[in-house]
Amino acid sequence: EAGVAQSPRYKIIEKRQSVAFWCNPISGHATLYWYQQILGQGPKLLIQFQNNGVVDDSQLPKDRFSAERLKGVDSTLKIQPAKLEDSAVYLCASSPLLGDSYNEQFFGPGTRLTVL
Amino acid sequence: DQQVKQNSPSLSVQEGRISILNCDYTNSMFDYFLWYKKYPAEGPTFLISISSIKDKNEDGRFTVFLNKSAKHLSLHIVPSQPGDSAVYFCAASPRGGWNTDKLIFGTGTRLQVFP
Repeated sequence: EAGVAQSPRYKIIEKRQSVAFWCNPISGHATLYWYQQILGQGPKLLIQFQNNGVVDDSQLPKDRFSAERLKGVDSTLKIQPAKLEDSAVYLCASSPLLGDSYNEQFFGPGTRLTVL
Repeated sequence: DQQVKQNSPSLSVQEGRISILNCDYTNSMFDYFLWYKKYPAEGPTFLISISSIKDKNEDGRFTVFLNKSAKHLSLHIVPSQPGDSAVYFCAASPRGGWNTDKLIFGTGTRLQVFP
């Protein structure tokens, strides 16, 4: 079974520029997550989708970050405009379903963003 | 507010010995705990988990212990192998309806197993 795919793997931009990341989850996984991992910290959830609906975006800086999962499959995360503090690894994860019992999350390799 | 804490940023252990990684949490609503392992340039991979109704879960060389009264869990790796060298993240999932699989991660512990 193919894992979670992310692109690009690396991106370097200047502050105030825009950037977009793409994620394709494991086939059949209903739930998709975007995490931000700043150097020296653990991953922090930005947004969680079930199919094409948002379950939790409470920690998404909505003034500059946006995400969509229009067809309930792949997803894009956008930052516009980027700030220096957005430098981080952006991880996408997916899990089979959302319910009362815990479902393991499968992570992609991440996109390392450097904002200069 | 760091709800899941891993106070040891790094740990160095000799091959064949036991590795013990620790994790503390503050939120009593957490009811499921997980350990993830991360190699450089890769995403975290699930290692082992434990429900709050248990105090121990074992999978091969890996055992997780949960002490709910102390809000503490630990991961034991016996025997440690060089391939275990990675960053280990503790994560917790809060109780409650539709969002039970939200994960709160600790800051990670870098384990190095030397020959």
